Amino acid sequence: NAGVTQTPKFQVLKTGQSMTLQCAQDMNHEYMSWYRQDPGMGLRLIHYSVGAGITDQGEVPNGYNVSRSTTEDFPLRLLSAAPSQTSVYFCASSYSPSLNQETQYFGPGTRLLVL
Amino acid sequence: AQSVTQLGSHVSVSEGALVLLRCNYSSSVPPYLFWYVQYPNQGLQLLLKYTTGATLVKGINGFEAEFKKSETSFHLTKPSAHMSDAAEYFCAVSDWAGNQFYFGTGTSLTVIP
Repeated sequence: NAGVTQTPKFQVLKTGQSMTLQCAQDMNHEYMSWYRQDPGMGLRLIHYSVGAGITDQGEVPNGYNVSRSTTEDFPLRLLSAAPSQTSVYFCASSYSPSLNQETQYFGPGTRLLVL
Repeated sequence: AQSVTQLGSHVSVSEGALVLLRCNYSSSVPPYLFWYVQYPNQGLQLLLKYTTGATLVKGINGFEAEFKKSETSFHLTKPSAHMSDAAEYFCAVSDWAGNQFYFGTGTSLTVIP
């Protein structure tokens, strides 16, 4: 198993550009999520999905869109990038939505710089 | 709302010394608590978790944590630090449904040879 994979590893955007951060897992996990990590802020949940076709907002959803058309993929879209979205983005997945019982597996992260 | 507070953004210990990383939580219902470790330029890896049952939880790499309800704490310890323990450590709590995690701001551990 490749686990949780994220592409690209690093991206530079100009303000107002759009892009999609890709996340895929090959473990047949139902639950997937996106976090952003900022210095001194820890990780904050952006969006999550408990299964194909089902998504919900986390702590900091503004400026981001997600969809879950397949179990394997959970892309994160920035429609109009802003400097405040400069961050490291982590995707994670878990076998079931009950994170209290299941382990979350994290991808290696995508570093995004918005100029 | 759930939240966790990690005291000390940077902790330095000598190799072989005790490691103590502090975490206090705020929860209106019995919490589920977690410790994750992040090595440089990598994603997070689960160290240990407390859900129910025994309040002393043992994890990987010799780490353990004790859930103390009276102190609303879940401190992480390791009796003897190793150079390979140098990393960022995050405490986290989940909501009652287990769908969302709330992470602390992290503690960077430095191990001095």
